Amino acid sequence: QSVLTQPPSVSAAPGQKVTISCSGSSSNIGKNYVSWYQQFPGTAPKLLIYENNKRPSGIPDRFSGSKSGTSATLGITGLQTGDEADYYCGTWDDNLSVFGGGTKLTVL
Amino acid sequence: QVLLVESGGTLVRPGGSLRLSCATAGFTFSDYYMTWIRQAPGKGLEWVSYISSSGDFIYYADSVKGRFTISRDNAINSLFLRMNSLRAEDTAVYYCARRIVTIRGVGKAVYFDYWGQGTPVTVAS
Repeated sequence: QSVLTQPPSVSAAPGQKVTISCSGSSSNIGKNYVSWYQQFPGTAPKLLIYENNKRPSGIPDRFSGSKSGTSATLGITGLQTGDEADYYCGTWDDNLSVFGGGTKLTVL
Repeated sequence: QVLLVESGGTLVRPGGSLRLSCATAGFTFSDYYMTWIRQAPGKGLEWVSYISSSGDFIYYADSVKGRFTISRDNAINSLFLRMNSLRAEDTAVYYCARRIVTIRGVGKAVYFDYWGQGTPVTVAS
């Protein structure tokens, strides 16, 4: 049982936009910043978004993040088949890091 | 470029012990907090432990507290995880990652900007 709640799966067609939600509480997302990670099968997670909405160098602006209250959202526009992966949200919660259970993105 | 390379994962019997290592390069290791994160087969990410840049501050997830010990050697740019009393539920790929913390107002941003490729640990008889 993960501390943060994500939908198990989302899907959309190439070129479309998709959003992935991440729900927490006042002790985690409610007062701290959220990060997002992308993971392809058999590989390590990769930082996608940090501090709610900032992108590391090399991450295209098709990826965006936002936060409101105790929830956060990852948005991906102009979907590509290469975006098919698992996506995890993470944040801080009273001396420990917590993650969502992950969302599998399928690009139909 | 920043590199993190884990090693030491293997098959071990329940109750056994193991020591994981994470060799790093490409950044000033002694300036950064480091962390271990694991992922059980087909499951999500689980934070395991972190250690401050000097090694003075250490925290563990409740699931490993008292059994796992994180340490580092800044002279050789390496991070370690000693795992004792291993259980089947410790079976996972173990990743080391560089931990970044920024504090903005009352909120804290904690995230992991570089990860190793992971080392698999299987606990089974």
